[in-house]
Amino acid sequence: AQSVTQLDSQVPVFEEAPVELRCNYSSSVSVYLFWYVQYPNQGLQLLLKYLSGSTLVESINGFEAEFNKSQTSFHLRKPSVHISDTAEYFCAVSENNAGNMLTFGGGTRLMVKP
Amino acid sequence: DTGVSQNPRHKITKRGQNVTFRCDPISEHNRLYWYRQTLGQGPEFLTYFQNEAQLEKSRLLSDRFSAERPKGSFSTLEIQRTEQGDSAMYLCASSWESGPGSPLHFGNGTRLTVT
Repeated sequence: AQSVTQLDSQVPVFEEAPVELRCNYSSSVSVYLFWYVQYPNQGLQLLLKYLSGSTLVESINGFEAEFNKSQTSFHLRKPSVHISDTAEYFCAVSENNAGNMLTFGGGTRLMVKP
Repeated sequence: DTGVSQNPRHKITKRGQNVTFRCDPISEHNRLYWYRQTLGQGPEFLTYFQNEAQLEKSRLLSDRFSAERPKGSFSTLEIQRTEQGDSAMYLCASSWESGPGSPLHFGNGTRLTVT
């Protein structure tokens, strides 16, 4: 069975500061890794994903995540956050042959303050 | 692309009653997923369909839970004899299965409160 741990339930940060949201997973097989974001009053939407290849993946709005197989981590980072990044962020994993059945972490609420 | 639509948005029911939720996926999507999310937790996978076939249902929480997608379009999730522990947000998602990691598009969910 696979599991995902997001170590921080809330991360307060000032605007323009860097941020890292941590994610660790466990699985006995190869996995795909995802970050989903939920803005206030909206549904979950895909932010970025790692399937294979380069271990550093980027989103269109400046977030990046790095797959670290030895540490079984997929931390999300942004060098300078905006107020509009305030949202809940979910890390998720699916096993390579599992038909896109995602296992989610508990979520991290990013609160960007002016 | 009108997005994934879920109805109703909110449902309040008394313990022991049956409830049914509806999900209308993005029209060209062939996969449809149901998740449950309780307060402070991430979504928990329940079941999924490819077209009208239910490919995984072992994670439905009990035999009181069932889902259908009769014509491969909309889907319903039914909970029979509801219990207070069933109170949660029920999320539907759809995707076009074009390969590994196809993004899931989520609806805004149906919030169930069992009194």
